[in-house]
Amino acid sequence: EADIYQTPRYLVIGTGKKITLECSQTMGHDKMYWYQQDPGMELHLIHYSYGVNSTEKGDLSSESTVSRIRTEHFPLTLESARPSHTSQYLCASSGATNTGELFFGEGSRLTVL
Amino acid sequence: KNQVEQSPQSLIILEGKNCTLQCNYTVSPFSNLRWYKQDTGRGPVSLTIMTFSENTKSNGRYTATLDADTKQSSLHITASQLSDSASYICVVSDRGSTLGRLYFGRGTQLTVWP
Repeated sequence: EADIYQTPRYLVIGTGKKITLECSQTMGHDKMYWYQQDPGMELHLIHYSYGVNSTEKGDLSSESTVSRIRTEHFPLTLESARPSHTSQYLCASSGATNTGELFFGEGSRLTVL
Repeated sequence: KNQVEQSPQSLIILEGKNCTLQCNYTVSPFSNLRWYKQDTGRGPVSLTIMTFSENTKSNGRYTATLDADTKQSSLHITASQLSDSASYICVVSDRGSTLGRLYFGRGTQLTVWP
C-alpha cells in the first residue's frame, strides 16, 4: 500500500475562497505530480516537481500553484476558487526507477459553489 | 498525435465470468504500458507493467498482453469478483523526453453483478 496522503478528501466551498490541497508522501520520492480528473475523462497533468524547489506546469493549464519546500510535501493552492475548478485532484509520486510507476493518493474532491 | 484509446467505455458482467478490456495506443517512441485499477473514490493502483519485449504477464486473476507491432494491449480478468468493480486505466510511457511522459486512456468502467 502506497504511503501518500491527501487532505481534505472532500471540500465544498464558495466562489472566491482560497484553498490549499495537501499532499504528503513518506517514500522519499523525488518526483511528485498533481493530476486533475473529471468523470469519464483521462487524468490530466497540471503540475509536477522533480525535487525540492523544482516545480513545473503540466499539460493542462491550471490557475492553481504548487510549492515544494520539503521532499515529502507538495501542496496545491487556488487563490480564488471558481465553479470551473470543481474536479477531482489526485496527487502522485514516483521513485528513482525508470519504469514510471505512479503511487497515487486517494484524491481530493473539490466542489466550488 | 500520441493517444491512448480504451474500449469498451463501460462493461457489466456477472460474478464468476471472464472479461477482456482493450487498449490501443499511438504513442511513439514506446517505453512501457501499465494497467491501473481505480476503485470509486480512490486513487489508481498499478496492476501490471508491460515493456516492449513482453507479450504476456499475469498478476493473480489479471493477465495483460501486449502486441507492440499493432500497438495493442489487453487486460483479461478471470473468474470476476464483486471487488473487481472499478475503472481500469491504460497508461503508456514514451522514452523520448526527460519527463518520460505518460499518456492516459479514459478508462473502462467495469461493474460486476452478483
